[in-house]
Amino acid sequence: EDQVTQSPEALRLQEGESSSLNCSYTVSGLRGLFWYRQDPGKGPEFLFTLYSAGEEKEKERLKATLTKKESFLHITAPKPEDSATYLCAVQAYGQNFVFGPGTRLSVLP
Amino acid sequence: GAGVSQTPSNKVTEKGKYVELRCDPISGHTALYWYRQSLGQGPEFLIYFQGTGAADDSGLPNDRFFAVRPEGSVSTLKIQRTERGDSAVYLCASSAGTSGSREETQYFGPGTRLLVL
Repeated sequence: EDQVTQSPEALRLQEGESSSLNCSYTVSGLRGLFWYRQDPGKGPEFLFTLYSAGEEKEKERLKATLTKKESFLHITAPKPEDSATYLCAVQAYGQNFVFGPGTRLSVLP
Repeated sequence: GAGVSQTPSNKVTEKGKYVELRCDPISGHTALYWYRQSLGQGPEFLIYFQGTGAADDSGLPNDRFFAVRPEGSVSTLKIQRTERGDSAVYLCASSAGTSGSREETQYFGPGTRLLVL
């Protein structure tokens, strides 16, 4: 059974304090690993798709990396507007998305 | 173009009542998905449509839940005899589905917050 765990459950950072969020997964035949951002009361907003180990993608202060067992979302010099819940999902070929529980990030000014 | 839209944004109902939740996918997207999200959890898959047909309904929790997509665009999630445990955010997502499969990036709507009293 495909499984996704995320850590930490919650993270509080000072503005400018870089850190990383972890997504660990077990899946048979990974088609893709997806990162989404979710603001309170909103639907998830797509950030990245990673397809193979060693792949990296960047967007503004965010960089996502992928290994065979986990993915990291690195946040460099975060700002208060980066505060949100970050969700990770995996998809095996021909299967549905399986989401992790998310990491709630708070960036304090 | 416009993103995925869902109506209503909030729904309060009483135990035992029937509710319908509507999803308008991104124009041209052939694949449509329904998820349920409980507080503090990630979205949980319910059902997947490719065109008008339900290609995978393995996530529907029981026969009180049903979804339709009669013209391959708008979808309605229907819940009969609602229970307090059905309270959650119901999310809809769509993807291009250009390969006729579900292997595409999914774009989510804002969700419908259902509260069953």
